[in-house]
Amino acid sequence: GAVVSQHPSRVICKSGTSVKIECRSLDFQATTMFWYRQFPKQSLMLMATSNEGSKATYEQGVEKDKFLINHASLTLSTLTVTSAHPEDSSFYICSVYDRLKGELFFGEGSRLTVL
Amino acid sequence: QKEVEQDPGPLSVPEGAIVSLNCTYSNSAFQYFMWYRQYSRKGPELLMYTYSSGNKEDGRFTAQVDKSSKYISLFIRDSQPSDSATYLCAMSPADRGSTLGRLYFGRGTQLTVWP
Repeated sequence: GAVVSQHPSRVICKSGTSVKIECRSLDFQATTMFWYRQFPKQSLMLMATSNEGSKATYEQGVEKDKFLINHASLTLSTLTVTSAHPEDSSFYICSVYDRLKGELFFGEGSRLTVL
Repeated sequence: QKEVEQDPGPLSVPEGAIVSLNCTYSNSAFQYFMWYRQYSRKGPELLMYTYSSGNKEDGRFTAQVDKSSKYISLFIRDSQPSDSATYLCAMSPADRGSTLGRLYFGRGTQLTVWP
């Protein structure tokens, strides 16, 4: 069964609105989750590392005020795209690292379309 | 120069063919090398990972790493239509004692195996 659940799988919104994407770890508690973005025919790019109980660590070039990350519990991290613009349209994927297995599990992804 | 280079294809082969997928990289600090399979509109799933140089075999899949050449390969024997997907290479400088979530991905190679 799925290890990581991501919701919603698809979302369409108007420019200027905010969209929240949830990532849940189903099988284990995760102190660290990761958010990636994937443009069509491009590789996955790490956006930020979400740390439970503390601030997320953002990669260079990623606006932390635009992509708000909250990791309030050991099983849930959320990514909120604020004041979305058409160029934010992308496939957002979260991942969770299982330290016991030494493996990274990915969610199914959320496709965001900003009109 | 991108840290990980991968030919996006597309690659189209008949059923039963041997498929060879490759990536090159520039960062000599990479220690862990992974291959992910991604079906359309889904999150990536781990196929294989290897540490440092060498070969690893799992069923019809063989992963090779040549650190001296900074070159990794994935071979698929007796390819099946169900193997049709995008294959992404990924790598990390981290050791297993720390997080492997910070991965560097190739663009992915789109593979189609026709019956």
